[in-house]
Amino acid sequence: EADIYQTPRYLVIGTGKKITLECSQTMGHDKMYWYQQDPGMELHLIHYSYGVNSTEKGDLSSESTVSRIRTEHFPLTLESARPSHTSQYLCASSEYGYNEQFFGPGTRLTVL
Amino acid sequence: RKEVEQDPGPFNVPEGATVAFNCTYSNSASQSFFWYRQDCRKEPKLLMSVYSSGNEDGRFTAQLNRASQYISLLIRDSKLSDSATYLCVRAGGSYIPTFGRGTSLIVHP
Repeated sequence: EADIYQTPRYLVIGTGKKITLECSQTMGHDKMYWYQQDPGMELHLIHYSYGVNSTEKGDLSSESTVSRIRTEHFPLTLESARPSHTSQYLCASSEYGYNEQFFGPGTRLTVL
Repeated sequence: RKEVEQDPGPFNVPEGATVAFNCTYSNSASQSFFWYRQDCRKEPKLLMSVYSSGNEDGRFTAQLNRASQYISLLIRDSKLSDSATYLCVRAGGSYIPTFGRGTSLIVHP
């Protein structure tokens, strides 16, 4: 089993709230990723990181931000949640030089 | 054209059947390919890597055809538990892995 964790697993929140989705991995992986996935739809990359102090935007425009202060931690923040942010958010990591990704269990976000 | 394309299906097959999926990619410089399995409302999990020489793991066989730019996944003797969405992924070097939309497989009794 992959050692990558996401909290919370489920979150229901009102419009305008600030939220942070947590992602941690204990495998020492340099690369980390955030994906957004709606039910039955494809994964969309929204952010990624090659290592500490490295963050990049992905293919899908997102109003979220990320930080990478520690290797094992890659939190995603929404400053002001909206109903359009309702989705599943999946965090993943991979070892630098290798492309196999390990995914966390996901956070299912509902914004009312 | 999308970088990675898959037939979304669903593929409906009876138990015991052999089923094959293809996935085409557009970047000829791609180096690594993978198949992931994703169950409903769960995270993707690595099923197998795809090597140029092919790769077999039990009932599952993956092939890579660089000339025609596609990879394939063959499942023999399908089980009910094989029902899932199968995601094709291409990556390479500094490329960020790119996922296909996935192919849905439904195995029925």
